[in-house]
Amino acid sequence: DTAVSQTPKYLVTQMGNDKSIKCEQNLGHDTMYWYKQDSKKFLKIMFSYNNKELIINETVPNRFSPKSPDKAHLNLHINSLELGDSAVYFCASRLADYNEQFFGPGTRLTVL
Amino acid sequence: GENVEQHPSTLSVQEGDSAVIKCTYSDSASNYFPWYKQELGKGPQLIIDIRSNVGEKKDQRIAVTLNKTAKHFSLHITETQPEDSAVYFCAASIDQGAQKLVFGQGTRLTINP
Repeated sequence: DTAVSQTPKYLVTQMGNDKSIKCEQNLGHDTMYWYKQDSKKFLKIMFSYNNKELIINETVPNRFSPKSPDKAHLNLHINSLELGDSAVYFCASRLADYNEQFFGPGTRLTVL
Repeated sequence: GENVEQHPSTLSVQEGDSAVIKCTYSDSASNYFPWYKQELGKGPQLIIDIRSNVGEKKDQRIAVTLNKTAKHFSLHITETQPEDSAVYFCAASIDQGAQKLVFGQGTRLTINP
């Protein structure tokens, strides 16, 4: 299936731990995004990469570090997890010159 | 920066009736306005979008209108069906470069059979 995929789908961890979420798209897109959706469903952009280059970097704590090893992958590493990091994280991708962003199924992160 | 306000936060309509969701934006430079539908447990999916050089766009039962002067845009769903039940998000961005979407707060639409 052509799509944006994320792993894991669910992630439960303790405060202070370090965790990573992976995203892959096989749509041939060149721009990828990370969004955070909080408990009230508010959706906010965190980062964007275009051809492995960081192009959007919102006011996100530096405990969050995105990494793009190639155009098809954008991973999110989070250090020293805090309770407030609990949310659903969505990856999305887009082909430059086209508007539609395609979203992955989300990763629900719960920090205990 | 851009700020998008969306109303109502919840909307319940009878099957077959119409539903309207409204958004306002603050940055006059924004020129691209998509609407996304998010079903339970899934990621948002684009359902319709409009650019600022167009006042209205329609796709079957869904239409979007844009008033650039007033900086507001609306989603209209006619002949609603149970499968239209979902959370709907409006967004605004500048249609170039990185396309940084700023989303509204979302509207939970429930279609009652």
